[in-house]
Amino acid sequence: KAGVTQTPRYLIKTRGQQVTLSCSPISGHRSVSWYQQTPGQGLQFLFEYFSETQRNKGNFPGRFSGRQFSNSRSEMNVSTLELGDSALYLCASSLLGADQETQYFGPGTRLLVL
Amino acid sequence: QKEVEQNSGPLSVPEGAIASLNCTYSDRVSQSFFWYRQYSGKSPELIMSIYSNGDKEDGRFTAQLNKASQYVSLLIRDSQPSDSATYLCAVNSNSGYALNFGKGTSLLVTP
Repeated sequence: KAGVTQTPRYLIKTRGQQVTLSCSPISGHRSVSWYQQTPGQGLQFLFEYFSETQRNKGNFPGRFSGRQFSNSRSEMNVSTLELGDSALYLCASSLLGADQETQYFGPGTRLLVL
Repeated sequence: QKEVEQNSGPLSVPEGAIASLNCTYSDRVSQSFFWYRQYSGKSPELIMSIYSNGDKEDGRFTAQLNKASQYVSLLIRDSQPSDSATYLCAVNSNSGYALNFGKGTSLLVTP
C-alpha cells in the first residue's frame, strides 16, 4: 500500500506571499493531520480533518488554514508568509483519527521563506 | 508548561549497550503514548505504541508506561549505529484528534 505523499517537497517563497501544500493519505485513511516542525519548537499540531470537517485546531494564527476533499486528500494554506513560517510541514494520516491509531507521516514539505 | 518533556541530549551510548530514553507528560487523562524515530532530514516513523501501564516489548525495543508518575520510557537493547536518530515521544491530546510531541532526544550510538 502506498504511503502518505506530500507535494511539493521543497518550496522557496518570499515574505507576504501565500503557499498551498498538498497531502494524499494512505488509501482508506480518512483522518489527515498537519504538523509544523521547527528546530526551536519541535513538532506542533496545526489541524486535523476527517470527512471534510476540521475536528481540531492547534494554536496557530488564522493565516494557517486547511481543507479536506471528498477523496480524503488535504491541502493547507499559509497566507501572508512570515520568515518564522520557514519549517518542515508534515502531514500524517490514520484510519479514523481515533486515540490509539497510529499516525503515519508523509515525507514533508520543506518551506523556506526569504 | 510544556505538555510533553524530553531531554534533548545528545545521549551517547556505545554499540551493544542499552539506550534509555525518557519522557514525562502533564495531562493525566492521556491514554495513548507513542515513540517515533526521526532520522536527519526524514519524517518520523513509529517505533512503539503503548496504552497500558507496564512494559511492552517488540524486538530490541521496550516501552514502559507509568501513568501514576506520568512517565513513559523507551529502552533500546543492543544499540546499533543505525539507531542513531532523534526519538520523539508523543501523547494523545485531551482535545482529541491530535498528538502532542516532545522536542525529541538525540541518540548517538558509537561503534
